[in-house]
Amino acid sequence: DIQMTQSPSTLSASVGDRVTITCRASESISSWLAWYQQKPGKAPKLLITKASNLQSGVPSRFSGSGSGTEFTLTISSLQPDDLATYYCQQYNTYSFGQGTKLEIK
Amino acid sequence: EVQLVESGGGLVKPGGSLRLSCEVSGFTFTTYSMNWVRQAPGKGLEWLSTISSSSGHIYYADSVRGRFTISRDNAKNSLFLQMDSLRAEDTAIYYCARAVGFSDYWGQGTLVTVSS
Repeated sequence: DIQMTQSPSTLSASVGDRVTITCRASESISSWLAWYQQKPGKAPKLLITKASNLQSGVPSRFSGSGSGTEFTLTISSLQPDDLATYYCQQYNTYSFGQGTKLEIK
Repeated sequence: EVQLVESGGGLVKPGGSLRLSCEVSGFTFTTYSMNWVRQAPGKGLEWLSTISSSSGHIYYADSVRGRFTISRDNAKNSLFLQMDSLRAEDTAIYYCARAVGFSDYWGQGTLVTVSS
């Protein structure tokens, strides 16, 4: 099974900060990686597919990069609405990372 | 507008069974694979199962293989998850989602609680 490991588990940042979340796969997944945002009490929302393709309607401050085993989600200028937990998912065999909880200072 | 609505959750005793349903609208159900994903209280997302558009390909996570059965009724735009031999650790919110590799549309979830 492909294991997905996110870091950090929790991240505290200020409005306007540049934020980076890392996701590592236990074996190569090419670019078959998605990122989701989940706000408290809500279903996950798809942000990025194929490692770097921003979904329609997602603010351009979100971006994704990487291939193979190492991927990043970057928020270029953190906004209060970005308070959420972020998950990566590889879609070779569908496993998720454990999540990164983003807190606003 | 794409909509997915889960139902069938509730309280069940360990060893019991439950059948979840997901009714979809706003897209051509017969052309999409579908997923079930769950989230235990305060925990992360766990992929459970995927079924192809014609039910010809079905996949399960190790944690539920042999206990859970995914199915669909394309005539009724509905997805199902039959859950047998339930355990306390199956307590979670269960989401259905449209599958295009990743999950692009999700329902609001239905809560399953396994407790005596």
